[in-house]
Amino acid sequence: EIVMTQSPVILSVSPGERATLSCRASQSISNKLAWYQQKPGQAPRLLIHGASTRAAGVPGRFSGSGSGSEFTLSISSLQSEDFAVYYCQQYNNWPYTFGQGTKLEIK
Amino acid sequence: QVHLVESGGGVVQPGGSLRLSCAASGLIISDSGMHWVRQAPGKGLDWVAFIRSDGNNKYYVDSVEGRFTISRDNSKNTVYLQMNSLRAEDAAVYYCAKSTFYMDVWGKGTTVTVSS
Repeated sequence: EIVMTQSPVILSVSPGERATLSCRASQSISNKLAWYQQKPGQAPRLLIHGASTRAAGVPGRFSGSGSGSEFTLSISSLQSEDFAVYYCQQYNNWPYTFGQGTKLEIK
Repeated sequence: QVHLVESGGGVVQPGGSLRLSCAASGLIISDSGMHWVRQAPGKGLDWVAFIRSDGNNKYYVDSVEGRFTISRDNSKNTVYLQMNSLRAEDAAVYYCAKSTFYMDVWGKGTTVTVSS
């Protein structure tokens, strides 16, 4: 099983600033990585797939990068609606696995 | 509007069974793989099971293998999760999600409580 490790667990950032979230896979997953956003009481929402391709309707301030085993989700100029929990997920190998999540909170 | 709607959750005793359903509207799921993902209270997301578009290939997380069965009825645009021998640790919100490989459409979830 591929273990996905996200860091930090909690990230405190001020509105308008940039947030950088990390995700590491225990082995190479090529670019088979997705990022999801989840707000309290809601289902997850797909943000990024293929490590760097934004899903339909996702604002341009969200960007993903990386390949192999190291990945980054960046959110430029944070808006109030961006404060949420973010999960990475690999779909290179079965079982598909998620990271434990990064909670992005207002500083 | 594209929707996935889960149903069938509820309260069940340890060792009991439940059958979850995921009905699609506004989209035809027959060409898509489908997942079940769960989230225990206050915890992160855990992938549970997957079924390919034709139903011929299925995958499960080890912890549910042999107890849970994923299936689909493309004529009803619906996917199912039969859950047997339920344990306390199976308590969670269960989401279905449509997949190419990544999960691009999610339902709102149905809650499973395992308690005596």
